[in-house]
Amino acid sequence: KQEVTQIPAALSVPEGENLVLNCSFTDSAIYNLQWFRQDPGKGLTSLLLIQSSQREQTSGRLNASLDKSSGRSTLYIAASQPGDSATYLCAVVDSNYQLIWGAGTKLIIKP
Amino acid sequence: ETGVTQSPTHLIKTRGQQVTLRCSSQSGHNTVSWYQQALGQGPQFIFQYYREEENGRGNFPPRFSGLQFPNYSSELNVNALELDDSALYLCASSHDPYGQGTETQYFGPGTRLLVL
Repeated sequence: KQEVTQIPAALSVPEGENLVLNCSFTDSAIYNLQWFRQDPGKGLTSLLLIQSSQREQTSGRLNASLDKSSGRSTLYIAASQPGDSATYLCAVVDSNYQLIWGAGTKLIIKP
Repeated sequence: ETGVTQSPTHLIKTRGQQVTLRCSSQSGHNTVSWYQQALGQGPQFIFQYYREEENGRGNFPPRFSGLQFPNYSSELNVNALELDDSALYLCASSHDPYGQGTETQYFGPGTRLLVL
Protein backbone atom coordinates (compact mmCIF):
# COMPACT_ATOMS: atom_id res chain seq x y z
CA LYS A 1 0.00 0.00 0.00
CA GLN A 2 1.41 3.36 -1.06
CA GLU A 3 2.03 5.83 1.76
CA VAL A 4 3.21 9.41 1.38
CA THR A 5 4.95 11.27 4.20
CA GLN A 6 5.88 14.92 4.40
CA ILE A 7 8.46 16.39 6.74
CA PRO A 8 8.37 18.77 8.48
CA ALA A 9 4.69 19.17 9.35
CA ALA A 10 5.22 22.89 9.87
CA LEU A 11 7.96 25.35 9.05
CA SER A 12 8.43 29.04 9.85
CA VAL A 13 11.23 31.03 8.21
CA PRO A 14 12.10 34.71 7.68
CA GLU A 15 11.34 36.30 4.35
CA GLY A 16 14.07 35.96 1.74
CA GLU A 17 15.37 32.57 2.82
CA ASN A 18 15.65 29.60 0.51
CA LEU A 19 13.92 26.50 1.84
CA VAL A 20 13.32 22.84 1.09
CA LEU A 21 10.21 20.78 1.74
CA ASN A 22 10.49 17.00 1.76
CA CYS A 23 8.18 14.25 0.55
CA SER A 24 8.75 10.50 0.68
CA PHE A 25 6.73 7.59 -0.68
CA THR A 26 6.94 3.89 0.05
CA ASP A 27 6.30 2.34 -3.38
CA SER A 28 8.42 3.46 -6.31
CA ALA A 29 5.80 2.26 -8.83
CA ILE A 30 4.33 5.68 -9.53
CA TYR A 31 3.20 7.42 -12.71
CA ASN A 32 3.96 10.91 -11.51
CA LEU A 33 4.42 13.09 -8.45
CA GLN A 34 2.71 16.41 -7.98
CA TRP A 35 3.17 19.31 -5.61
CA PHE A 36 0.16 21.38 -4.63
CA ARG A 37 -0.44 24.47 -2.60
CA GLN A 38 -3.49 24.85 -0.38
CA ASP A 39 -4.73 28.21 0.82
CA PRO A 40 -7.59 28.46 3.32
CA GLY A 41 -10.93 28.71 1.54
CA LYS A 42 -9.35 28.47 -1.91
CA GLY A 43 -8.92 24.76 -2.54
CA LEU A 44 -5.78 23.28 -4.04
CA THR A 45 -3.52 24.69 -6.74
CA SER A 46 -1.20 22.47 -8.75
CA LEU A 47 2.37 23.80 -8.67
CA LEU A 48 4.51 21.21 -10.42
CA LEU A 49 4.00 17.77 -11.95
CA ILE A 50 6.99 15.46 -12.43
CA GLN A 51 6.50 12.41 -14.63
CA SER A 52 8.08 9.19 -13.35
CA SER A 53 10.72 9.40 -16.10
CA GLN A 54 11.76 12.94 -15.14
CA ARG A 55 14.19 14.08 -12.47
CA GLU A 56 12.98 17.63 -11.89
CA GLN A 57 10.64 20.42 -12.90
CA THR A 58 10.98 24.15 -12.45
CA SER A 59 8.46 26.97 -12.36
CA GLY A 60 9.68 30.42 -11.41
CA ARG A 61 11.14 30.29 -7.91
CA LEU A 62 10.02 26.69 -7.44
CA ASN A 63 12.05 23.61 -8.26
CA ALA A 64 10.88 20.07 -7.58
CA SER A 65 13.09 17.02 -7.81
CA LEU A 66 12.19 13.35 -7.95
CA ASP A 67 14.31 10.34 -7.02
CA LYS A 68 11.97 7.47 -7.72
CA SER A 69 14.36 4.73 -6.68
CA SER A 70 14.75 6.16 -3.19
CA GLY A 71 11.11 7.26 -2.94
CA ARG A 72 11.88 10.93 -2.37
CA SER A 73 10.98 14.32 -3.72
CA THR A 74 11.94 17.80 -2.63
CA LEU A 75 10.34 21.16 -3.32
CA TYR A 76 12.84 23.99 -3.29
CA ILE A 77 11.52 27.53 -2.84
CA ALA A 78 13.98 30.31 -3.59
CA ALA A 79 13.87 33.77 -2.04
CA SER A 80 10.73 33.09 -0.01
CA GLN A 81 8.02 35.75 0.25
CA PRO A 82 5.13 36.22 2.71
CA GLY A 83 2.76 35.30 -0.14
CA ASP A 84 4.32 31.83 -0.17
CA SER A 85 2.68 31.12 3.19
CA ALA A 86 0.34 28.16 2.67
CA THR A 87 0.17 24.42 3.16
CA TYR A 88 2.17 22.47 0.59
CA LEU A 89 1.07 18.94 -0.27
CA CYS A 90 2.70 16.31 -2.40
CA ALA A 91 0.82 13.47 -4.04
CA VAL A 92 1.71 10.50 -6.23
CA VAL A 93 -0.36 8.72 -8.85
CA ASP A 94 0.08 5.09 -7.86
CA SER A 95 -0.13 1.87 -9.87
CA ASN A 96 -3.94 1.94 -9.51
CA TYR A 97 -4.05 5.41 -11.07
CA GLN A 98 -5.13 6.88 -7.73
CA LEU A 99 -3.72 10.09 -6.28
CA ILE A 100 -2.24 9.33 -2.86
CA TRP A 101 -1.49 12.36 -0.69
CA GLY A 102 0.80 13.38 2.10
CA ALA A 103 -0.57 15.33 5.07
CA GLY A 104 1.21 18.51 4.01
CA THR A 105 3.74 20.99 5.35
CA LYS A 106 2.34 24.24 6.73
CA LEU A 107 4.72 27.00 5.72
CA ILE A 108 4.81 30.44 7.33
CA ILE A 109 7.06 33.13 5.88
CA LYS A 110 7.66 35.92 8.39
CA PRO A 111 8.02 39.47 6.96
CA GLU B 1 -12.21 30.05 -18.93
CA THR B 2 -14.33 29.14 -15.92
CA GLY B 3 -12.62 27.17 -13.17
CA VAL B 4 -14.00 24.34 -11.08
CA THR B 5 -16.89 25.41 -8.87
CA GLN B 6 -18.56 23.60 -5.99
CA SER B 7 -21.79 24.10 -4.10
CA PRO B 8 -22.68 24.65 -1.39
CA THR B 9 -19.60 26.12 0.29
CA HIS B 10 -20.70 25.06 3.76
CA LEU B 11 -23.29 22.61 5.01
CA ILE B 12 -24.50 21.38 8.38
CA LYS B 13 -26.34 18.06 8.66
CA THR B 14 -27.31 15.70 11.45
CA ARG B 15 -26.29 12.08 11.81
CA GLY B 16 -28.34 9.73 9.62
CA GLN B 17 -29.28 12.36 7.05
CA GLN B 18 -28.34 12.32 3.38
CA VAL B 19 -26.38 15.01 1.53
CA THR B 20 -25.67 15.88 -2.11
CA LEU B 21 -22.66 17.96 -3.07
CA ARG B 22 -22.25 19.43 -6.54
CA CYS B 23 -19.31 20.18 -8.77
CA SER B 24 -19.07 21.97 -12.08
CA SER B 25 -15.98 20.92 -14.02
CA GLN B 26 -13.65 23.24 -15.86
CA SER B 27 -14.66 23.69 -19.49
CA GLY B 28 -13.32 20.94 -21.76
CA HIS B 29 -12.56 18.52 -18.91
CA ASN B 30 -13.93 14.97 -19.13
CA THR B 31 -12.78 13.54 -15.80
CA VAL B 32 -13.84 14.44 -12.28
CA SER B 33 -12.48 13.14 -8.99
CA TRP B 34 -13.78 13.57 -5.46
CA TYR B 35 -11.69 13.72 -2.31
CA GLN B 36 -12.39 13.90 1.41
CA GLN B 37 -10.01 15.98 3.51
CA ALA B 38 -10.22 15.79 7.29
CA LEU B 39 -8.77 18.63 9.32
CA GLY B 40 -4.96 18.56 9.36
CA GLN B 41 -4.72 15.68 6.91
CA GLY B 42 -4.16 15.24 3.22
CA PRO B 43 -7.08 14.49 0.92
CA GLN B 44 -8.32 10.91 0.58
CA PHE B 45 -9.46 9.69 -2.84
CA ILE B 46 -13.18 8.78 -2.90
CA PHE B 47 -13.79 8.00 -6.58
CA GLN B 48 -13.27 9.22 -10.10
CA TYR B 49 -15.68 9.53 -13.03
CA TYR B 50 -14.56 9.40 -16.63
CA ARG B 51 -17.09 10.02 -19.38
CA GLU B 52 -20.00 9.40 -16.98
CA GLU B 53 -18.69 6.06 -15.67
CA GLU B 54 -17.05 5.37 -12.30
CA ASN B 55 -13.40 4.81 -13.11
CA GLY B 56 -11.73 3.99 -9.82
CA ARG B 57 -12.72 4.07 -6.17
CA GLY B 58 -10.88 4.55 -2.92
CA ASN B 59 -11.54 2.85 0.40
CA PHE B 60 -14.98 4.36 1.03
CA PRO B 61 -18.22 2.47 1.78
CA PRO B 62 -21.08 2.20 -0.74
CA ARG B 63 -23.04 4.92 1.03
CA PHE B 64 -20.69 7.27 -0.83
CA SER B 65 -21.95 7.39 -4.40
CA GLY B 66 -21.69 9.72 -7.33
CA LEU B 67 -22.84 10.74 -10.75
CA GLN B 68 -21.28 12.49 -13.70
CA PHE B 69 -23.61 14.18 -16.19
CA PRO B 70 -23.24 14.62 -19.98
CA ASN B 71 -21.98 18.15 -19.43
CA TYR B 72 -19.32 16.61 -17.13
CA SER B 73 -20.69 18.22 -13.99
CA SER B 74 -20.86 15.84 -11.04
CA GLU B 75 -22.56 15.02 -7.76
CA LEU B 76 -21.34 13.31 -4.62
CA ASN B 77 -24.06 11.71 -2.52
CA VAL B 78 -23.52 10.48 1.01
CA ASN B 79 -26.26 8.50 2.76
CA ALA B 80 -26.67 7.74 6.46
CA LEU B 81 -24.25 10.46 7.52
CA GLU B 82 -21.88 9.71 10.39
CA LEU B 83 -19.99 12.13 12.61
CA ASP B 84 -16.69 11.10 10.96
CA ASP B 85 -18.01 12.30 7.60
CA SER B 86 -17.36 15.86 8.77
CA ALA B 87 -14.65 17.11 6.42
CA LEU B 88 -13.81 19.28 3.43
CA TYR B 89 -14.98 17.63 0.22
CA LEU B 90 -12.95 18.54 -2.82
CA CYS B 91 -13.80 18.07 -6.45
CA ALA B 92 -11.14 18.13 -9.17
CA SER B 93 -11.44 17.98 -12.94
CA SER B 94 -8.97 17.19 -15.68
CA HIS B 95 -8.79 16.57 -19.39
CA ASP B 96 -7.67 12.98 -19.38
CA PRO B 97 -7.57 11.29 -22.82
CA TYR B 98 -7.44 7.78 -21.37
CA GLY B 99 -9.14 8.16 -17.99
CA GLN B 100 -5.98 7.17 -16.19
CA GLY B 101 -5.90 10.02 -13.70
CA THR B 102 -2.36 10.99 -14.67
CA GLU B 103 -3.10 14.48 -15.92
CA THR B 104 -2.97 17.67 -13.87
CA GLN B 105 -6.12 18.07 -11.80
CA TYR B 106 -7.76 21.42 -11.17
CA PHE B 107 -9.50 21.75 -7.85
CA GLY B 108 -12.58 23.57 -6.70
CA PRO B 109 -12.66 25.44 -3.38
CA GLY B 110 -14.42 22.59 -1.63
CA THR B 111 -17.56 22.07 0.43
CA ARG B 112 -17.11 22.00 4.17
CA LEU B 113 -19.55 19.51 5.71
CA LEU B 114 -20.27 19.37 9.41
CA VAL B 115 -22.25 16.43 10.76
CA LEU B 116 -23.75 16.89 14.22
